[in-house]
Amino acid sequence: QVQLVESGGGVVQPGRSLRLSCAASGFPFSSYAINWVRQAPGKGLEWVAVIWSDGNTKYYADSVKGRFTIFRDNSKNTLSLQMNSLRVEDTAVYYCVRADGYLDYWGQGTLVTVSS
Amino acid sequence: DIVMTQSPDSLAVSLGDRATINCKSSQSVFFSSNNKNYLTWFQQKPGQPPKVLIYWASTRGSGVPDRFSGSGSGTDFTLTISSLQAEDVAVYYCHQYYSTPYTFGQGTKLEIK
Repeated sequence: QVQLVESGGGVVQPGRSLRLSCAASGFPFSSYAINWVRQAPGKGLEWVAVIWSDGNTKYYADSVKGRFTIFRDNSKNTLSLQMNSLRVEDTAVYYCVRADGYLDYWGQGTLVTVSS
Repeated sequence: DIVMTQSPDSLAVSLGDRATINCKSSQSVFFSSNNKNYLTWFQQKPGQPPKVLIYWASTRGSGVPDRFSGSGSGTDFTLTISSLQAEDVAVYYCHQYYSTPYTFGQGTKLEIK
């Protein structure tokens, strides 16, 4: 079955960096676009970034553009999100989400807390 | 950017009654080349990731009870729960995957009256 498992969350100070990872299994990873979606505590859902199947096409939300980088390793079935210059407002649960024309499978999420 | 606006923000419905949630997009999310609306409805319960209820505006997700239905096209969409059950208490989101930045509605909190 399709599984997406996020890791790498934690507590980090403002201005610092953190890298999230997503391990995928149960489907041909290299055939699907994968997204990051986040949810601040008690708030709604916010799309963060997408990377297409070949790894060359990437799009970002304006709120993270220039600070976050999405990349993937199709040989290892892994997705990553490099987050630099973190801000308090980046505090959220980050979900790794597969896309097949719509967001169909979600991981359980990993919590990132940006606090001094 | 496509803005997704849901109404109402919250809703209280009696068990067994119908619940209706609306979603309006600021631009059409209909892709004419494949005749699909890139509109998804999600259900989210506390502590859980969102679950797909309806995709392509009207196709029920795997294992989703048939009391859930989706309708609409272009810019106006509706999620209907025909007979509310206790386990339907949740927050519901609409989402467009038509163009980046992909965007969500603000959510509708559904409760039992």
